[in-house]
Amino acid sequence: DTGVSQDPRHKITKRGQNVTFRCDPISEHNRLYWYRQTLGQGPEFLTYFQNEAQLEKSRLLSDRFSAERPKGSFSTLEIQRTEQGDSAMYLCASSPPGAGVYGYTFGSGTRLTVV
Amino acid sequence: AQKITQTQPGMFVQEKEAVTLDCTYDTSDPSYGLFWYKQPSSGEMIFLIYQGSYDQQNATEGRYSLNFQKARKSANLVISASQLGDSAMYFCAMRLVGGSQGNLIFGKGTKLSVKP
Repeated sequence: DTGVSQDPRHKITKRGQNVTFRCDPISEHNRLYWYRQTLGQGPEFLTYFQNEAQLEKSRLLSDRFSAERPKGSFSTLEIQRTEQGDSAMYLCASSPPGAGVYGYTFGSGTRLTVV
Repeated sequence: AQKITQTQPGMFVQEKEAVTLDCTYDTSDPSYGLFWYKQPSSGEMIFLIYQGSYDQQNATEGRYSLNFQKARKSANLVISASQLGDSAMYFCAMRLVGGSQGNLIFGKGTKLSVKP
């Protein structure tokens, strides 16, 4: 297993465009998490899935954001009508059954720049 | 409200010396967990060490140890025998036991630079 994989690593987009990021967790991990990290800050929780069910969403996840995890495998995070304030590193993490936050493995993130 | 404070934006340490990275936290819940993560320039967050609020002894993991002072609400990370590869951002984080299953609260981080 090669760990948590995120694609793309970097994305530059024009304001108003839609973007989609993908996260492939470690195969036996049933929980998947999305965090956002802006410059000079620590990561902030966005949402998490247990298998295919989205169990929690932060108020940071505005209506322009949507996350899915079809079939409980990979996950996508879509941002519609991007704004400059969306520029950040988007981190994905997964954890095995029963471990929760104690078993996080993070990916290397997708860095989004909105111009 | 829960909060993590890291007051050192940047730290320098000489190779092979020890360094302490500060972390204070704020919570009214008696049950919580404290974490330290390392983030190299490649971006991924790497778990280093964990301390539970009811743990009697300070946590240690190899060259990392956590100086847990519950009354002061501090959880400082001590790195012994610093190596050049330790240069990275370091984040302190907290989870409330019984709270959100997915939610870690992170501080702003400390950038550690190890000098040869």
